[in-house]
Amino acid sequence: SAVISQKPSRDICQRGTSLTIQCQVDSQVTMMFWYRQQPGQSLTLIATANQGSEATYESGFVIDKFPISRPNLTFSTLTVSNMSPEDSSIYLCSVVDSGANVLTFGAGSRLTVL
Amino acid sequence: GESVGLHLPTLSVQEGDNSIINCAYSNSASDYFIWYKQESGKGPQFIIDIRSNMDKRQGQRVTVLLNKTVKHLSLQIAATQPGDSAVYFCAGRGGYQKVTFGTGTKLQVIP
Repeated sequence: SAVISQKPSRDICQRGTSLTIQCQVDSQVTMMFWYRQQPGQSLTLIATANQGSEATYESGFVIDKFPISRPNLTFSTLTVSNMSPEDSSIYLCSVVDSGANVLTFGAGSRLTVL
Repeated sequence: GESVGLHLPTLSVQEGDNSIINCAYSNSASDYFIWYKQESGKGPQFIIDIRSNMDKRQGQRVTVLLNKTVKHLSLQIAATQPGDSAVYFCAGRGGYQKVTFGTGTKLQVIP
């Protein structure tokens, strides 16, 4: 199955700053997604990262707050902009593993905003 | 979109006993229902899935049951082991491969 690497694994950020999370996959994948998991909560889909076009955002998430890049079929970034303490969460990159038709996750990036 | 939720937030089970984790869903548009296991500090890990036109699927020590009449999904773990301690999420897959997650159940295995 696909192996997903996320960087950073964790970070502590100051209010008002922005942080970019990187997601690298060891194989080419068509479908790539970004999820948020707030403390003690379930996962919520932020957006679908589309290669060569703008990301598709879910209700409640906007490009200005969570800009996403997808320059090729193995890499994507998610930026959390103008952070507030409410953005403290785990952000997870996931891909559809075409071989197994299964949604596979990275280990996540745990952000704490002070 | 799909809405998926769980009945019980926590479940404590004696080692060796069977575990049953339940889930209710409100939208029938999912073509697959999936169970994920999330250990502390890790991303969710796929356990087993079931197509929406099936009512039972078995894996290694796990069985998923789907009752579309009452929109209910369950995960049964046989002979629960300490390594099964984790948070379990049910999820539904809809259009464009998008997966919607339920609220999660924490399984605690008592040695």
